[in-house]
Amino acid sequence: NAGVTQTPKFQVLKTGQSMTLQCAQDMNHNSMYWYRQDPGMGLRLIYYSASEGTTDKGEVPNGYNVSRLNKREFSLRLESAAPSQTSVYFCASSASIGSEQYFGPGTRLTVT
Amino acid sequence: GEDVEQSLFLSVREGDSSVINCTYTDSSSTYLYWYKQEPGAGLQLLTYIFSNMDMKQDQRLTVLLNKKDKHLSLRIADTQTGDSAIYFCAERGNTDKLIFGTGTRLQVFP
Repeated sequence: NAGVTQTPKFQVLKTGQSMTLQCAQDMNHNSMYWYRQDPGMGLRLIYYSASEGTTDKGEVPNGYNVSRLNKREFSLRLESAAPSQTSVYFCASSASIGSEQYFGPGTRLTVT
Repeated sequence: GEDVEQSLFLSVREGDSSVINCTYTDSSSTYLYWYKQEPGAGLQLLTYIFSNMDMKQDQRLTVLLNKKDKHLSLRIADTQTGDSAIYFCAERGNTDKLIFGTGTRLQVFP
């Protein structure tokens, strides 16, 4: 089992460009999450999907959209990247909301 | 609202014990978690404790929970250089989502 995988590992964007971060899990988990990690701020929840077919906003959803493509995959889209979105993005999954979460290796995004 | 706080840094000598502390505000928390993040990697679940427990031990790790003071700690016995990482505590709050602390960077020196 690969667990939670994320692509790409690194990305550099210019302001205004768009991109999609991909996430997949092979643990048959119902719930999936997107976080961003910034120095001194811990992890902040961007969006989550409690189950296939549902998505909800987290703490910092502005500037992002998500798609729960199927049970395995949950993507995060930046429509018009801004320098404030420079961060490390983590995808996670769990059997259900509130149960222990398993994290992917992260995507380091720089917006210039 | 729900909030989880940790000190930012801890430095210990190899072989000593490390104690990482965490405070939280949500008295209805059911589970509390400790995660470890090594450089350039994602978070890895270390251990967790249910809110009706005071203590949980797992090899070198001891978790203590003081529910009255809303205080959680992680003790690492015989700390090794491989324990150098960022440690996050997280609570399962009343919304059932996990709320993470800011993380404590543990540095182990010889």
